[in-house]
Amino acid sequence: GQQVMQIPQYQHVQEGEDFTTYCNSSTTLSNIQWYKQRPGGHPVFLIQLVKSGEVKKQKRLTFQFGEAKKNSSLHITATQTTDVGTYFCAGSINTGTASKLTFGTGTRLQVTL
Amino acid sequence: NAGVTQTPKFRILKIGQSMTLQCTQDMNHNYMYWYRQDPGMGLKLIYYSVGAGITDKGEVPNGYNVSRSTTEDFPLRLELAAPSQTSVYFCASSDGQGAREGGNTIYFGEGSWLTVV
Repeated sequence: GQQVMQIPQYQHVQEGEDFTTYCNSSTTLSNIQWYKQRPGGHPVFLIQLVKSGEVKKQKRLTFQFGEAKKNSSLHITATQTTDVGTYFCAGSINTGTASKLTFGTGTRLQVTL
Repeated sequence: NAGVTQTPKFRILKIGQSMTLQCTQDMNHNYMYWYRQDPGMGLKLIYYSVGAGITDKGEVPNGYNVSRSTTEDFPLRLELAAPSQTSVYFCASSDGQGAREGGNTIYFGEGSWLTVV
């Protein structure tokens, strides 16, 4: 079955440092989504990428979808303590009648002053 | 907007007991999902539904059952609780429209913390 891996599993940074998480799929994706889960909370949708090579920005967050549509990255510039949480990618494969979304293993980000 | 509402928020069960986690959404979404998340881990799909009357197994369906009699409701049933089912359970929904912009965004409930002792 489809597998979606993320690296690193965990990263601890000082506030102001940059952070990047990488997402790799074993199969070609129709689109990829990114979610953030705060400690004790539920996953919240951040963004969706659809096109090969697509890059989208949300303030300090930059999302990229690979040319082959099998990988993606999320980069945070100048992290803040409010960025703490686990970031999940989720890859979608259109199977004709339904889209199946598979979540990545997640990257937990810790930010300290 | 209520979004996705799940109950109860916390529950302690004894081994062998059964219970139902309730989930309802008010966004008229066709797709609904149940995920479990073990401590420090990712999300695993238990069951999903693409519309009323249709359900299908996800990655980890054993020990669970679902039904989808209406568009709004998607309850998850644990028949014989086991310690391995101690987890946080998330219900979610989406309009399932695939690759169109935002078309498959999943909206999660706040989670149900279940402990089996």
